[in-house]
Amino acid sequence: DAGITQSPRHKVTETGTPVTLRCHQTENHRYMYWYRQDPGHGLRLIHYSYGVKDTDKGEVSDGYSVSRSKTEDFLLTLESATSSQTSVYFCAISEGQGAYEQYFGPGTRLTVT
Amino acid sequence: GESVGLHLPTLSVQEGDNSIINCAYSNSASDYFIWYKQESGKGPQFIIDIRSNMDKRQGQRVTVLLNKTVKHLSLQIAATQPGDSAVYFCAEMSGGSSYKLIFGSGTRLLVRP
Repeated sequence: DAGITQSPRHKVTETGTPVTLRCHQTENHRYMYWYRQDPGHGLRLIHYSYGVKDTDKGEVSDGYSVSRSKTEDFLLTLESATSSQTSVYFCAISEGQGAYEQYFGPGTRLTVT
Repeated sequence: GESVGLHLPTLSVQEGDNSIINCAYSNSASDYFIWYKQESGKGPQFIIDIRSNMDKRQGQRVTVLLNKTVKHLSLQIAATQPGDSAVYFCAEMSGGSSYKLIFGSGTRLLVRP
């Protein structure tokens, strides 16, 4: 998985609780992304980062926030989890500098009860 | 593993035959395209990419064809093997500076022994 780890790999939480997912890379890539994957919807971009402390919204950003305080880590936070946020979450990285391909982590399965 | 898609289009091929997976894209301004393979319980894996100034690109046992006139992309897999069974996604990017991919909903490839 191209030097990308995600933690936790599985999490069950209750509605209304805060949840933070972590993505860690060892490739020193500039760009990092958070996607969610749901049946019938494919992969949808939540937020992405184009450098330390530089982030922007994707197509399904409501209810999520992100932070990137150093190159290797990109955190996704659900401030108050809802059942509609039950999904599989993938982190991806890309080098930038004209290299557009993204490499994905192993995913985190999140269940909100 | 996770259920990537409950109602994905499915292509069933005999082991050893060639496979062709098709993808229609919507944005005529898209200038970069990429194919991913996703096995059950894993993150998407990069297969091959192509830029809009090309109409064909070959990799190891795979070929991507791009027809900009009809906004169509295809992935050809030669001598399909059981290990090729997976869900395949195409993705497009418009505008090189965005570094954001838009994913299709995927096609499931089943290889019959």
